[in-house]
Order: sequence, then structure tokens, then C-alpha cells
Amino acid sequence: GDSVTQMEGPVTLSEEAFLTINCTYTATGYPSLFWYVQYPGEGLQLLLKATKADDKGSNKGFEATYRKETTSFHLEKGSVQVSDSAVYFCALSLRGGTSYGKLTFGQGTILTVHP
Amino acid sequence: NAGVTQTPKFQVLKTGQSMTLQCAQDMNHNSMYWYRQDPGMGLRLIYYSASEGTTDKGEVPNGYNVSRLNKREFSLRLESAAPSQTSVYFCASTGFRGTYEQYFGPGTRLTVT
Repeated sequence: GDSVTQMEGPVTLSEEAFLTINCTYTATGYPSLFWYVQYPGEGLQLLLKATKADDKGSNKGFEATYRKETTSFHLEKGSVQVSDSAVYFCALSLRGGTSYGKLTFGQGTILTVHP
Repeated sequence: NAGVTQTPKFQVLKTGQSMTLQCAQDMNHNSMYWYRQDPGMGLRLIYYSASEGTTDKGEVPNGYNVSRLNKREFSLRLESAAPSQTSVYFCASTGFRGTYEQYFGPGTRLTVT
């Protein structure tokens, strides 16, 4: 079946450090890929997305590139802030057929940024 | 627009009790979903409704039932709660804009003792 694997956490960084959170996937079809963020006590919010190979999603300084050859969608940010502390989820959704937009999530990565 | 709303925000049940989690969206979305979130396991799909009048099982449906009351509302029912159902429950919806972006509610934290 379809699955998403994220790097094990938690991740602890100092402010202004470079962030990478790895995400790889397996899918039976051609998925759309997403990064969602969950701030403490809140629901999930879409951070960025990519719908085809070599697309780069970006938002709030975060970036991720859809790499079909390596089945990866790694999240990066050049300089993290304390306000970026949250849980980050990689997810995929197959398009068309009977997928009905169902999301398959990775296990989540807890990011803590210290001043 | 409120987006996706869920009630209640917190609930404590005793084993064997029943309850219904409510979800509503005001974005005119066709599809709605119920997920549970457990530590280290991400979110797992319990049930979904592709459109008004249809519901289908997801990855972990045992112990739950759902009702798509109308296009706006999608409820999740626990008929006989068990400690294994202690979790945070999220409702989500999507309108099939081509990228299947889902919008999430704030969640319900359920504890079964």
C-alpha cells in the first residue's frame, strides 16, 4: 500500500540554523505531496504542496521539491525561528479513481527551536 | 468563514459509554474525513465521505460509526468507548480543486478511562 516515511525526531535547533526534515514515499499511482504543520494545541495547516515531478512548493521560507526519481519530498528552511517550533507532517494523496483525496501521513517530526 | 469546526474540544468518557463527535464545514466541500492522531503514528483515517450520502471505511474503522448528515456535517460516533480509543480526533474536508488540499478542524481530545 501507499506509505510515507519521515526522519525520526525530535529535532532541536538553535535559531537561524538550517533545517532539513527528510520524507520519502511509496505510492501505487502518481501522488500529490504535501507538508502540513501543527502548532501546539491546534489542528493541521497546509504548509506547502507539489503536484508533479520537479515541482517546488514554498511558503513562509520553507521549501520542498518533488523528486520522483528518489521518491522524496524533503522539507528545508535556511534560517529557522523560535516560532517555527511545531510538528511537521509529510503526506501524499493519489489523484483520481477512488482515492477521493484521502491523505496518507508520515509519523510526524517534532521541531523545537531555541533562541 | 469559520472553516471546519469540531465539538467538543475535550471529552472524558468511562469505558463502555457512548458519544458523538460533531464536525461541520462552511466551504461547500464535497468530501469529509475523520482521522485519529496518536503519538508516533501520525494521523490515521477512520472513515471518510466522498460526497453527501456516501461513507466508507478508512484504515482504522473498528469501534466507530459515521453519519453524513448533509453536505456540511459529518459526525463520528463511538458506541462503546474503550481505552484504546483515547486519542485526538480531527475532522477535515476538501473540495477537489485538483490538488486535494484538505482543511482541518481544531481537534477533539478524547480520554477513555
